[in-house]
Amino acid sequence: GENVEQHPSTLSVQEGDSAVIKCTYSDSASNYFPWYKQELGKRPQLIIDIRSNVGEKKDQRIAVTLNKTAKHFSLHITETQPEDSAVYFCAASKQAAGNKLTFGGGTRVLVKP
Amino acid sequence: GAGVSQSPSNKVTEKGKDVELRCDPISGHTALYWYRQSLGQGLEFLIYFQGNSAPDKSGLPSDRFSAERTGGSVSTLTIQRTQQEDSAVYLCASSKQASSTDTQYFGPGTRLTVL
Repeated sequence: GENVEQHPSTLSVQEGDSAVIKCTYSDSASNYFPWYKQELGKRPQLIIDIRSNVGEKKDQRIAVTLNKTAKHFSLHITETQPEDSAVYFCAASKQAAGNKLTFGGGTRVLVKP
Repeated sequence: GAGVSQSPSNKVTEKGKDVELRCDPISGHTALYWYRQSLGQGLEFLIYFQGNSAPDKSGLPSDRFSAERTGGSVSTLTIQRTQQEDSAVYLCASSKQASSTDTQYFGPGTRLTVL
């Protein structure tokens, strides 16, 4: 089955700096890659996703890049703010398998003011 | 509109007891997923339902776990003879359909503690 690795497990950045989280996946048939943000005690919330037919997607301060050949994708957060502090999860799925998500282990991001 | 809801929000039970966790998906969503999040860990797929098709149970950790979805809407996850290792947050998610890469929206979860 699919296996998703996520790095780093923790990330501390100064407010205003950029944060980058990287994930690798094993199943070349995976075609959907969402990123979820989970604040303490809250439900995971989708922040951005990318499908395998594109290489990059951007939404304001957040961007995701996908390299299908290398089977890795990354989340980039620019101009970080204290409210970006949370745990971020990457995931992968494939339409042929009912889109069930396989998650990475999560990255705890702390933005220091 | 209303999001995914789950009940109860917290459940404390004694080892060996059975528990039922409920999920109400977003209206009109035909796909429903259950995931488990152990303390400080990532999310682990358990089971999903798509319309009237047979569920994909490939993620259920043991035969003590089962789930059903009545009328294509509400779902119940049942854990029989609970064990301490079952303690986790159980999250439900729904999407428009499982046959395409639609966004999955999560509920708030049920925190299960087995004493």
